[in-house]
Parts: sequence; C-alpha cells; structure tokens
Amino acid sequence: EDKVVQSPLSLVVHEGDTVTLNCSYEVTNFRSLLWYKQEKKAPTFLFMLTSSGIEKKSGRLSSILDKKELFSILNITATQTGDSAVYLCAVNFGNEKLTFGTGTRLTIIP
Amino acid sequence: DAGVIQSPRHEVTEMGQEVTLRCKPISGHNSLFWYRQTMMRGLELLIYFNNNVPIDDSGMPEDRFSAKMPNASFSTLKIQPSEPRDSAVYFCASSLWDEQFFGPGTRLTVL
Repeated sequence: EDKVVQSPLSLVVHEGDTVTLNCSYEVTNFRSLLWYKQEKKAPTFLFMLTSSGIEKKSGRLSSILDKKELFSILNITATQTGDSAVYLCAVNFGNEKLTFGTGTRLTIIP
Repeated sequence: DAGVIQSPRHEVTEMGQEVTLRCKPISGHNSLFWYRQTMMRGLELLIYFNNNVPIDDSGMPEDRFSAKMPNASFSTLKIQPSEPRDSAVYFCASSLWDEQFFGPGTRLTVL
C-alpha cells in the first residue's frame, strides 16, 4: 500500500532557529512529491519535486528529494512567527491522486 | 482567476438532514478532488473526477455519501442522512497536472 510518513508530528522552536521537516514514503510507483503549508485554512502549495527536479528553493524555504532512499526534507531557515503552520507532504503515485502524510505542526515562539 | 470556490463556508445541521456541498473548480483544470479533514484522521481523499468522470471513489465512507460532476465547472458532494461523525472540514481541490489547488473548505457541523 502506498504510504507517506512525516516526522516529527510537532515541533516547537524559537524565532530565528532553523528547522528540518521529514517526509518518507513507501511506493509502488512514484511520479512527484509535493509540500503544502496549512494555516487556519486551506493547504497552499510550496514545492513540487520530481525525478527531474530534486531540489527547490524559495527564500528561506528549501527542499530536496532523495529518490533512492525514498524521502524528502523541507528546511526553513531564520524562522519567523508567520511560519507557524501544519506542513503537509503529499506523493503522487502515478495517477492524478495525491496521498498525504499526517503533517508536521510547527510552532514558532517569538 | 478566483481560485477554487466552495459553498457554503459553514454549515450546521441536525442529524438525519441532507447536506449538499458545492464546488467550482479553476477554469481549465481537468481533475477535481473532494477531501475531508479531521483532527483524528487528517486529510482524506473521498473521491476524484477526471474530465467530469468519477475515477476513484474508494475513499467515500459509505452509501450515505455521493458526489456528482455534471459539467467541468461544477461538482457537488451530498450526505444523506447526515450523522454527527460526519462533522469535519470538507475541501474541494482541482488540478491540471500534479499540483492541486484547494478551495477554502466547508466546515460542517452535524448536531
């Protein structure tokens, strides 16, 4: 069964710290991995990683994909209180569906 | 573009009543997804359509749930009869490729 596991489940850090969020997957067929940020509303798209794009960066956020070891990490440097959210990892296993992990709840303390 | 539009944003109903949730996907997107999110179970895919055709409804909890997509710009998710355990936030999302764009969600409370 296709499965996506995120860790840690929750994380509390101080403003300015760097955090690393993890996403591993068991796969029968892999097409892409996506990261979303969810505050008190709908998930919003951050990055998509595929075989042809295994590293992405946008400002203080960056992500890499290790297709051999079947995992991805999301890094956030110089965290701000606005980064507090649930971060969701999702994998496309070869069709239109995304399988989501349970998310990591990140809390940034001022 | 207005993004994915869902209505209503909030719905409070009594057990046994019929509930209909509505979704307008982003114009030009060919796939539409209905999700349910709860604290206990996270984000669950209920059903998705491709080119208005239901492709996978294996996530639909039971026969009380049904979904339709009569055309490319409209979909409904119906619960009849509703039960308290159906209380959740229901999201609709649409996509053209892998990236899915989510609507604001409908918060359903069944008393």
